[in-house]
Amino acid sequence: AQSVTQLGSHVSVSEGALVLLRCNYSSSVPPYLFWYVQYPNQGLQLLLKYTTGATLVKGINGFEAEFKKSETSFHLTKPSAHMSDAAEYFCAVIAANAGGTSYGKLTFGQGTILTVHP
Amino acid sequence: DSGVTQTPKHLITATGQRVTLRCSPRSGDLSVYWYQQSLDQGLQFLIQYYNGEERAKGNILERFSAQQFPDLHSELNLSSLELGDSALYFCASSVGGTPRNEQFFGPGTRLTVL
Repeated sequence: AQSVTQLGSHVSVSEGALVLLRCNYSSSVPPYLFWYVQYPNQGLQLLLKYTTGATLVKGINGFEAEFKKSETSFHLTKPSAHMSDAAEYFCAVIAANAGGTSYGKLTFGQGTILTVHP
Repeated sequence: DSGVTQTPKHLITATGQRVTLRCSPRSGDLSVYWYQQSLDQGLQFLIQYYNGEERAKGNILERFSAQQFPDLHSELNLSSLELGDSALYFCASSVGGTPRNEQFFGPGTRLTVL
């Protein structure tokens, strides 16, 4: 079974400051990891994903995340926050070799609301 | 715009009633997923279909059922509605049905049960 913990339900930064959103996962099998963003009254949009290969993955809008197996983490970062980054961010995990009843099941964290101050 | 469409956008109904939520996947996508987002439970996977067949199942209540039709659109049926069923219901689609395939999310249907 998989689970995701996002540390901090709310994160507040100043415009231009570093954004760091924390995600730790638990998985008994190799995971695929994702970060999604949700703007108010909209669906989820994929920011980036890790499947295999390079552990530092770059996504849209200047975001990146690093898969650290030893720390079971997949933290999301952006060097300089913009006002337009204000949204809710979700980390998600899926078992890479999922089968049976778990085949397409994305397991999400509780979400982190990012506020950006001018 | 993800290319996934969901109707209706909002739905208000009473306890005990039955509703149907509809999802049209992106052109070419064979797999459809349903998720429920509520304040209590967060985002939870309900069910996945691939080319008309059920592929994976989450903690979907027995009062809920879904299907995927030959034209690949999907419907989620919720019956004997309770106050706790009030939530945002998302549909997602992907080209294949494997864990590697990116899931594209629709804008959601907001269900309010009074």
